[in-house]
Amino acid sequence: DVVMTQSPLSLPVTLGQPASISCRSSQSLVHGDGNTYLNWFQQRPGQSPRRLIYQVSNRDSGVPDRFSGSGSGTDFTLKISRVEAEDVGVYYCTQGTHWPPYTFGQGTKLEIK
Amino acid sequence: EVQLVESGGGLVQPGGSLRLSCAASGFPFSSYWMSWVRQFPGKGLEWVANIKQDGSEKYYVDSVEGRFTVSRDNAKNSLYLQMNSLRAEDTAVYYCARGANYHDASAYFWGQGTLVTVSS
Repeated sequence: DVVMTQSPLSLPVTLGQPASISCRSSQSLVHGDGNTYLNWFQQRPGQSPRRLIYQVSNRDSGVPDRFSGSGSGTDFTLKISRVEAEDVGVYYCTQGTHWPPYTFGQGTKLEIK
Repeated sequence: EVQLVESGGGLVQPGGSLRLSCAASGFPFSSYWMSWVRQFPGKGLEWVANIKQDGSEKYYVDSVEGRFTVSRDNAKNSLYLQMNSLRAEDTAVYYCARGANYHDASAYFWGQGTLVTVSS
């Protein structure tokens, strides 16, 4: 199975400042069809996970443009350009290239300093 | 509005069984892959199983293979997870999820979850 490793696991950020989360996979996530199936989810306190980014860098509908995804191969990054209070929660990367199973990172808890 | 509502969770003894249900509405249920994903008490996520639109393909994570069975009833817009031989490590919130489109077998849109506790 593909192991997804996130860092940091805890991310205290000042409001209005940028934030960055790293995700590394144990093998390349480039699929045979040429796409890279790396997604990012946000889980706010008390809510179920919501997808933010799919295929590395595509924002889902309704996701603010302060969220961006980048990366290739085995190294990926989620960036928030200016953190707002509503961004507090846990962020997970997940891969869908080598399934089954789909696998998730451990999660990164973003909090306001 | 897309809605997924899970039910059937609860407290069960080790070795026991439980059947989870997921009622779907607001979209053409028979056109989407459906999945179960669980979240452990420590908050880690694990994909459990998925099932193709017509039920012809089903996939499981190794840790539940042979113990859990995913099924669906398109006439009732419902997804199910039959869980047998339950273990303490199966304790988690179980989410029902839908793919993003016809071809997407992953968990894109999630319900609110139902808690399963396995304990004596």
